Amino acid sequence: DIQMTQSPSSLSASVGDRVTITCRASQRISSYLNWYQQKPGKAPKFLIYAASSLQSGVPSRFSGSGSGTDFTLTISSLQPEDFAIYYCQQSYSTPPTFGQGTKVEIK
Amino acid sequence: EVQLLESGGDLVQPGGSLRLSCAASGFTFTTYVMSWVRQAPGKGLEWVSGISGSGGSTYYADSVKGRFIISRDNSKNTLYLQMNSLRAEDTAMYYCAKGTVAAIVEWFDLWGQGTLVTVSS
Repeated sequence: DIQMTQSPSSLSASVGDRVTITCRASQRISSYLNWYQQKPGKAPKFLIYAASSLQSGVPSRFSGSGSGTDFTLTISSLQPEDFAIYYCQQSYSTPPTFGQGTKVEIK
Repeated sequence: EVQLLESGGDLVQPGGSLRLSCAASGFTFTTYVMSWVRQAPGKGLEWVSGISGSGGSTYYADSVKGRFIISRDNSKNTLYLQMNSLRAEDTAMYYCAKGTVAAIVEWFDLWGQGTLVTVSS
């Protein structure tokens, strides 16, 4: 199975900050990388697919980049509603696997 | 409205069985791959099983292979997960998730609210 490792595991940031989360795959996965947001007590929400394509309805302050083994999720200007846990997921091979999550907290 | 609604979660003893259901609405159910994804308390996300739109292809995580069975009834727009020989480590929130039209598992663009399975004596 492909292992996905996110960094950092958590971060503290202020409203308006630019935030970057990194996801690394244990082998090359081309651009088969997706991102999700999960708020406490809620189901995950789909944000980005194929490394950089924004899902319909997701604010443009979210962006994704990368290919091969290294990927990033960037929030250009953090908003109060963005405080959550973010997960990456590879869809290069079955089983699809998730990173351990990055918790974005209020500073 | 496009939505997924899970049901069937409960408290069950180790070794017991449970069947989860997921009712889909607002999209052409038979077109899409569907999956179950679980989340143990305080932990991350783990894909459990997936099934093609026709139901002809199924996929399982090694952790549940031989114990869980995924199925779907396209006439009822409903996804199922039959869970047998349950273990304490199966305790989790189980989410139903909609995939893509491809024949393989890709991403999950719609999630249900989840149903809680607790395995304990």
